[in-house]
Order: sequence, then C-alpha cells, then structure tokens
Amino acid sequence: QVQLVESGGGVVQPGRSLRLSCAASGFVFSSFAMHWIRQAPGKGLEWVAVVRYDGSVDYADSLKGRLSISRDNSKNTVYLEVKSPRAEDTAVYYCARLALNHYSAFDLWGQGTMVTVSS
Amino acid sequence: DIVLTQSPGTLSLSPGERATLSCRTSQSVNSNFLAWYQQKPGQAPRLLIQGTSTRATGIPDRFSGSGSGTDFSLTISRLEPEDFAVYYCQQYGNSPLYSFGQGTKLDIK
Repeated sequence: QVQLVESGGGVVQPGRSLRLSCAASGFVFSSFAMHWIRQAPGKGLEWVAVVRYDGSVDYADSLKGRLSISRDNSKNTVYLEVKSPRAEDTAVYYCARLALNHYSAFDLWGQGTMVTVSS
Repeated sequence: DIVLTQSPGTLSLSPGERATLSCRTSQSVNSNFLAWYQQKPGQAPRLLIQGTSTRATGIPDRFSGSGSGTDFSLTISRLEPEDFAVYYCQQYGNSPLYSFGQGTKLDIK
C-alpha cells in the first residue's frame, strides 16, 4: 500500500528539540524528493523543507537555522528535527512526496502529526 | 517573495451549481508549476490539479483548471456534496521555493 505515516508529535516544551519521522511504503522511496509542510491550527499550509533524492536540502527562509531535514533510504524514512521550538511552531506537520514528473506538485501526503509547543 | 491570493475567501453554493475559484500570484508563475489541492476537515490535503490543468490520478472530470502568468482558476462544473471543502493553490519556483494560497472555503448554501 502506497502511504506515508508520520510520528513523533506531541507536546514539547519551548526550547527542547523535537524529531519527527515519516515512514514511507509501497513505492521506491529513494527516487523521490520528500517534503515537510505544516499547518497551524485553523490556518493555511506552509512549506517547511525538502530533502531531494540526492540528499540535497532546502528550507523555508523563515525557518532556516532551526530545522534539519534528513532521510534514511535504508529505512524508507524522512526526518525533521525542530531545534528550540517556539509557540508559533505549533502545527500539524505533514510529510509529502513530490510527484515524479515535471509538475512539482505533492501527490502523496501523510495523515499528519500534531506538535504542540507549550510549557 | 511571491504571494498567492485566493478569492473569494468563502464561497457558498448549492449542490449542482458551478464553482469558480481564483488564485492570483504577485509574480508570474510557470504554468507547469501551479497546482490545486482539496482539504476536508481533519484530513490531509489531496492533489487535484497539477501543471495548471492536468487532473491528478482518480480526480473526476468535473474538476478543471486553467490560467497563465499571474491568474489561475479552478472550476468545479457541478458540485457534489463531497466537494464542499477548503481549496488551496500552490506554486513552485519563485521565492519561497514552494508556497500556498491562504485557501478558499467552499461551503453549502
């Protein structure tokens, strides 16, 4: 079954690092660029970061320096570390697959994992 | 930075009616790199349209996309009850690398 399953969310204290995971199955994970996209409660979608098939990465400018995205192709898993989270990082975090065509759209999404930053 | 502005913010229509949603961008977007998503409460977004007008796999043909440059639209020809949701446009290639509009909520009149 082609799917993405996120984990690692929950309540985290401000300043304590958090690592999210996204396990992929049903497709050739190593061929795809993988992204994290987040959605604050009641708000729209915000692109966060990408790790491409070759391991290169990019981040949203507003989040650079506080995030680290990585992948482990042997485990079909992509990770997002949020360093020193703040209240404004509270959101549902989705991992998403970039379609393997020339359109640069996200054709597969996980169900999301909720992160609440609170003391 | 590029800004995607969707209108209207909320669209109230009845099943069977035609819906037209707009996405205007502050900079020109390559038509290959404009997509539309549908999101229902408590669910992840679902890809509807990629490359401005190409339906994703399994998307019914009542959904269509069009546009170019800075002006794009999503049309639902005859609304079904399951179409009432929030819709987002998304671009690639400008700064930021990927970005979304703020969404249009389509609700039942």
